[in-house]
Amino acid sequence: AQKITQTQPGMFVQEKEAVTLDCTYDTSDQSYGLFWYKQPSSGEMIFLIYQGSYDEQNATEGRYSLNFQKARKSANLVISASQLGDSAMYFCAMREGLVDKIIFGKGTRLHILP
Amino acid sequence: GAGVSQTPSNKVTEKGKYVELRCDPISGHTALYWYRQSLGQGPEFLIYFQGTGAADDSGLPNDRFFAVRPEGSVSTLKIQRTERGDSAVYLCASSEQGGETQYFGPGTRLLVL
Repeated sequence: AQKITQTQPGMFVQEKEAVTLDCTYDTSDQSYGLFWYKQPSSGEMIFLIYQGSYDEQNATEGRYSLNFQKARKSANLVISASQLGDSAMYFCAMREGLVDKIIFGKGTRLHILP
Repeated sequence: GAGVSQTPSNKVTEKGKYVELRCDPISGHTALYWYRQSLGQGPEFLIYFQGTGAADDSGLPNDRFFAVRPEGSVSTLKIQRTERGDSAVYLCASSEQGGETQYFGPGTRLLVL
């Protein structure tokens, strides 16, 4: 079974609209961390936001927020007021327990339309 | 401050050759990770160093792949007898000791002809 599932291979969104990128995860660990990374066409992986499994509040970083629904094992990324520069590949990822490696999903390609 | 740097940015080699990929982590970061990203996929874990030692090398696909970090800073990923299937982007990341976030370098694009 996949550990990280991103069901939207691609999305098209009008500039200035909010966008939600879906992510579900699968783990039996009680302690884990969830990440979102952005990968523009230039290729670098840019860290966006982190949510720990014990964090009660949803993480927020500027225009990014993580909608963490623990019971549903869901960690959707919400980008408010999208901009043309948000066009990129977005990866959801998870660190399980005390293991340090990160497991990535297959990604969602986001296109922001002017 | 300076981020993670990787050299070369691109490497083209022939099947059967040996290649070395270098990663220079963020200064002071004790943890270093190598990932491989094939076209259209998310990165896949290869190996993790804490200081000089490889704490987890479970992602290395076979014994043609080896990595070192002799002084606990710069790391080199070594691939022997390269195969066309090794073509991918090799990403390096680093984090602070106990830190949650891994910061990635720009990657090395390896093409094996």
